[in-house]
Amino acid sequence: GESVGLHLPTLSVQEGDNSIINCAYSNSASDYFIWYKQESGKGPQFIIDIRSNMDKRQGQRVTVLLNKTVKHLSLQIAATQPGDSAVYFCAENNFNKFYFGSGTKLNVKP
Amino acid sequence: DTGVSQNPRHKITKRGQNVTFRCDPISEHNRLYWYRQTLGQGPEFLTYFQNEAQLEKSRLLSDRFSAERPKGSFSTLEIQRTEQGDSAMYLCASSFRGEALGYTFGSGTRLTVV
Repeated sequence: GESVGLHLPTLSVQEGDNSIINCAYSNSASDYFIWYKQESGKGPQFIIDIRSNMDKRQGQRVTVLLNKTVKHLSLQIAATQPGDSAVYFCAENNFNKFYFGSGTKLNVKP
Repeated sequence: DTGVSQNPRHKITKRGQNVTFRCDPISEHNRLYWYRQTLGQGPEFLTYFQNEAQLEKSRLLSDRFSAERPKGSFSTLEIQRTEQGDSAMYLCASSFRGEALGYTFGSGTRLTVV
């Protein structure tokens, strides 16, 4: 099956700094990707998405970059805030369902 | 509350017992998905419905697991003869015609089998 993995299990950043969370995927046929944020005791929450015909998409304080050549996604969070502390997952959409990686825990230090 | 609702939020059961979870999707969503999430891992797809039809089941969904969506609205996930390995968070998500942007997760039911 598809494999979506992450380079770092835990990332600690200082409040106000930018955060970069990375993700590798294995299915070159995947054409749609989403980054989710999951806080403790809650379900995954949509952050930002990108289709395979794009290489960059920006949202409010977040940017997703897609490199199809090396099958790599990244999530950039600008001016990281304490409320950004959570586990972040990338997921690839394939035939109506999502395949998730194991997540990166983001710790924001005050 | 117009989000995806799951009940109960927590369930502790003894090994060998049967458990049933309920998911109420967003009312206009015709697709409903079940995922399982173990500690430190991302959610894993179990099954999904379009209206009342169960269209796909993962290999993870053993014979002890059954899901229904009888009227195309709420869904139930039943686990028979629970095992300790069934301990996990069971997440429900819904969407409209598979549109990913509107794909919304509930807060899950955390199952602990003792």
